Amino acid sequence: GIQVEQSPPDLILQEGANSTLRCNFSDSVNNLQWFHQNPWGQLINLFYIPSGTKQNGRLSATTVATERYSLLYISSSQTTDSGVYFCAVGSSTSYGKLTFGQGTILTVHP
Amino acid sequence: DGGITQSPKYLFRKEGQNVTLSCEQNLNHDAMYWYRQDPGQGLRLIYYSQIVNDFQKGDIAEGYSVSREKKESFPLTVTSAQKNPTAFYLCASRFTMNTEAFFGQGTRLTVV
Repeated sequence: GIQVEQSPPDLILQEGANSTLRCNFSDSVNNLQWFHQNPWGQLINLFYIPSGTKQNGRLSATTVATERYSLLYISSSQTTDSGVYFCAVGSSTSYGKLTFGQGTILTVHP
Repeated sequence: DGGITQSPKYLFRKEGQNVTLSCEQNLNHDAMYWYRQDPGQGLRLIYYSQIVNDFQKGDIAEGYSVSREKKESFPLTVTSAQKNPTAFYLCASRFTMNTEAFFGQGTRLTVV
């Protein structure tokens, strides 16, 4: 099945800093999502982005499907951005499966 | 309110018992999913269903069973055959395989 690798595994920032999270995948995808998991375990949808670029406030994401990677940008980070960020992908050969990466743990200090 | 409801939030099971986790959605989604998350880990797929009365095994289906008798419901049974069931269980749904998935708030299962 498709493999998903996220980097870095851990990221520590000071409030106000910018960061880039990466998601590499091993096969062509027709579905890619970024999620933020809060301290209570809830998965919050950030972007549905199988290709192209999207922006939502301080967050933006880019997926280059032909090169099999996606990037999540967080600008002017805040302490509330702390948590785990997951990338999840699906491919045309995965019959509807959505496969998750191991996540990036982001800690933003005041 | 439209959404995905998982119940209960916390569940305690004695060894050797079967337990059933509930997942209900009122979003009119066709596809539903069950994932397991262990501490510090990503989400692993247990079972998924793309249509009523049909479901497929995910990557870690052993010791679990599901049913999909109604479009809005996808209950997960953790059987006594599951040797290490303590985990956080998340249910998701979406319209089709090429659309955005949404998650419920999860059920924390602990074996006592």
